[in-house]
Amino acid sequence: DVKVTQSSRYLVKRTGEKVFLECVQDMDHENMFWYRQDPGLGLRLIYFSYDVKMKEKGDIPEGYSVSREKKERFSLILESASTNQTSMYLCASRGGAGGAETQYFGPGTRLLVL
Amino acid sequence: GQNIDQPTEMTATEGAIVQINCTYQTSGFNGLFWYQQHAGEAPTFLSYNVLDGLEEKGRFSSFLSRSKGYSYLLLKELQMKDSASYLCAVRGGDGGFKTIFGAGTRLFVKA
Repeated sequence: DVKVTQSSRYLVKRTGEKVFLECVQDMDHENMFWYRQDPGLGLRLIYFSYDVKMKEKGDIPEGYSVSREKKERFSLILESASTNQTSMYLCASRGGAGGAETQYFGPGTRLLVL
Repeated sequence: GQNIDQPTEMTATEGAIVQINCTYQTSGFNGLFWYQQHAGEAPTFLSYNVLDGLEEKGRFSSFLSRSKGYSYLLLKELQMKDSASYLCAVRGGDGGFKTIFGAGTRLFVKA
C-alpha cells in the first residue's frame, strides 16, 4: 500500500511566522503535489514537482514556496504566514504522468494562522 | 477558463441508489477521477474514466461523456458509511501533470 505521511495533523501559528509542512511518500513516486482545501472551493494546486529539485507553480503559488531535495520528500514553506493561509493542506504523490495513475493523498495538515 | 461543477449537497436513504453529476470545462482532457473523502480524512480513489461509457466497480459505477463534458458517479445499495464528500477531478492536457478538482458533493445517507 502506498503511504503518504505529513508531519503534523494540526498546527497553530502566528501571523508572520515561517511555517514548514513536510510530506513523505514511500512508493518512489516521481510526482508530488501540494494542495489547499477550503470549503466551497475544493482542492487547489499550490505547487507540484515531477522530479528531485524540480518544481512547478500550480494555480495559487503566491505566499508559498517548496523544496524537493530527495525524491521521497516534498516540503511546503509559508515564508510569512498570514491569516488567509488558514486552511487544510493536502500532500499527494503519483507514480506516472499519464494513464490511470491516481494520486495518493496524505492525511492533511489543518493549519490555523492567528 | 477551467471549471468543474457538481452539486453541493445531496441526501439519500439507506439501501437506495444515488447519482452524483459532474460537468467540466477544461483545457485538454486526460481522464476523469472520482474520489471519496470522509470528514477530516484524505481523499481516496474510487474510479477513473478516460473513454466514453460506464465503468462498474462493485456498488459504485462511473459514467463519462467527453462530448458533453459530463460524468456521474452512481452509488447503489447505499450504506451509512457512504456518507462522505465525493470529488470529481479532471486531469488536464498539460502533459497530464495537473488535476483540477471540483468543490465536492457532500452526501448524507439517512436511515
